[in-house]
Amino acid sequence: GAGVSQTPSNKVTEKGKYVELRCDPISGHTALYWYRQSLGQGPEFLIYFQGTGAADDSGLPNDRFFAVRPEGSVSTLKIQRTERGDSAVYLCASSLTGPRLAGNEQFFGPGTRLTVL
Amino acid sequence: AQSVTQLDSHVSVSEGTPVLLRCNYSSSYSPSLFWYVQHPNKGLQLLLKYTSAATLVKGINGFEAEFKKSETSFHLTKPSAHMSDAAEYFCVVSDHQAGTALIFGKGTTLSVSS
Repeated sequence: GAGVSQTPSNKVTEKGKYVELRCDPISGHTALYWYRQSLGQGPEFLIYFQGTGAADDSGLPNDRFFAVRPEGSVSTLKIQRTERGDSAVYLCASSLTGPRLAGNEQFFGPGTRLTVL
Repeated sequence: AQSVTQLDSHVSVSEGTPVLLRCNYSSSYSPSLFWYVQHPNKGLQLLLKYTSAATLVKGINGFEAEFKKSETSFHLTKPSAHMSDAAEYFCVVSDHQAGTALIFGKGTTLSVSS
């Protein structure tokens, strides 16, 4: 079956520009997560959605970052006034139910590599 | 607070020899622990998970890990390495009483030579 998909796979932009990154979770998965992976590091949590609402956005680094999931399926991560330090791979994951169930597995997409020049 | 420490940033083995990737964790509550693998240009794939059942956990592709509470460790092992095992491996903790996120280690790069 189809896994988590992310578009675009690569995005190059200039400092100060606005970007949108899209995530299509596995059909029927109610939970969706965004992570950011910088070079040589493990992924770091950004935000978690349960249905349409952001249940935990404690990982967003500042107010330039925002994410939506208006219909409880596809999500878009939005970055305003991009900075060179935003360059990273942005990963999306989904799970069948929320994370507070022990061992609930998150399925990851291939990521979007964002480069800010 | 939760945290994960992967003790080796890079491990090199020969094909057919055992693999040991070390991981120590810190968690306030009973954690769930995972190992994920990341091949170049591919998504993260779950190898195995521990969720307070059996302490020895078997995963895919012949990998297994043992949860040792007294040592706060969750080391990943495989008896015989294959060339296809070369990848980045992440130890991950989830403290679902304290938070909603997976906490990843910095990763261990496994190289396998013929």
